[in-house]
Amino acid sequence: KAGVTQTPRYLIKTRGQQVTLSCSPISGHRSVSWYQQTPGQGLQFLFEYFSETQRNKGNFPGRFSGRQFSNSRSEMNVSTLELGDSALYLCASSLGTVVRGALQETQYFGPGTRLLVL
Amino acid sequence: AQKITQTQPGMFVQEKEAVTLDCTYDTSDPSYGLFWYKQPSSGEMIFLIYQGSYDQQNATEGRYSLNFQKARKSANLVISASQLGDSAMYFCAMRGGLNKLIFGAGTRLAVHP
Repeated sequence: KAGVTQTPRYLIKTRGQQVTLSCSPISGHRSVSWYQQTPGQGLQFLFEYFSETQRNKGNFPGRFSGRQFSNSRSEMNVSTLELGDSALYLCASSLGTVVRGALQETQYFGPGTRLLVL
Repeated sequence: AQKITQTQPGMFVQEKEAVTLDCTYDTSDPSYGLFWYKQPSSGEMIFLIYQGSYDQQNATEGRYSLNFQKARKSANLVISASQLGDSAMYFCAMRGGLNKLIFGAGTRLAVHP
């Protein structure tokens, strides 16, 4: 079974631009979560999508948005890029079962997209 | 609030020896899950092992085992017979609310020949 794929793997943008990152989950997985990883803040949760609906969102400004398509593929968009948005963006997929507000299955991660904002 | 603490920024181990990476957690939820991930320099987070709070036995997956001490709120990862390819960042994570994983700061493991 193919793993989680993310495109592109590397991106260089300038301040003020916008960027769209893509994530294709493992076949059969309906939940896609996005994380930002920086040296200073570590791994932080951005949002999670299930069946084309955003179920939860972390503490990031509205410049960070996402969506999920009917085939469970997900995109993340960052508008008006800032230098501090430079990071490794990871997406993770799982089946998506939630009990008492928590995902039950293991989340499997993609290789990430490294974004550099100049 | 839920929290994961990894107190070892870096660890060194000789090839073929065992190494323990520490992880302590804090949660008031009686049902929780603990994960360990490996992140090589390429960036991908690789799932290693999972321990549920109600699991009676410590989890094992090949050379990886989890030393789960519930009363002490610790979930240490033990890697037996270290290999050069084990050199990477290792993250302990807990299944939290908002359908997210809560990660520790990570431990960088270097395996020496």
